[in-house]
Amino acid sequence: KQEVTQIPAALSVPEGENLVLNCSFTDSAIYNLQWFRQDPGKGLTSLLLIQSSQREQTSGRLNASLDKSSGRSTLYIAASQPGDSATYLCAVKTSYDKVIFGPGTSLSVIP
Amino acid sequence: EAGVVQSPRYKIIEKKQPVAFWCNPISGHNTLYWYLQNLGQGPELLIRYENEEAVDDSQLPKDRFSAERLKGVDSTLKIQPAELGDSAVYLCASSRSGTYSTDTQYFGPGTRLTVL
Repeated sequence: KQEVTQIPAALSVPEGENLVLNCSFTDSAIYNLQWFRQDPGKGLTSLLLIQSSQREQTSGRLNASLDKSSGRSTLYIAASQPGDSATYLCAVKTSYDKVIFGPGTSLSVIP
Repeated sequence: EAGVVQSPRYKIIEKKQPVAFWCNPISGHNTLYWYLQNLGQGPELLIRYENEEAVDDSQLPKDRFSAERLKGVDSTLKIQPAELGDSAVYLCASSRSGTYSTDTQYFGPGTRLTVL
């Protein structure tokens, strides 16, 4: 059974710092991996989607990497801003077509 | 383009009462998902529809939960009777297609249910 974990559960950084969020999954047989952002009281917004054949994806200040063999993905945020404060969740789509979410990392960027 | 619409946004009910949530997906999206999200956790799939057909309802507690998607557009999720442990946020999402697809899911704002 696929399990997805995210460490740390919470992170607080000063504005301007670069940071890395981690996502781990137990079964490497995945179809793709996606990173989402969730603001308080709102739904999820997709940030980046990495296919199983890809190693990374970039969008603006965000870069997501995928290492299937080790069951890991990272989300790198460059030059963090207070507006980046939110919960970040990763989700894997398994080879049997299920989407499994991690518990999320709550990020606070302090001005 | 309008996003996924959910109503109500908040609902407070007494245990053993029925409750229903409504979702209107993005126009043209064939796949609709209902998720349950507990505090501090990621969403967990309850049911996935491809058009009118429920293709994955393995996580839906069928003794008290039911869902329908008439005409393959709007969907309703019902709980009857509600229990204290049902207190959570119920999220609806849609995508152009679902099965083995790379299409992104678009989420609604959710309905926060409190059962007293």
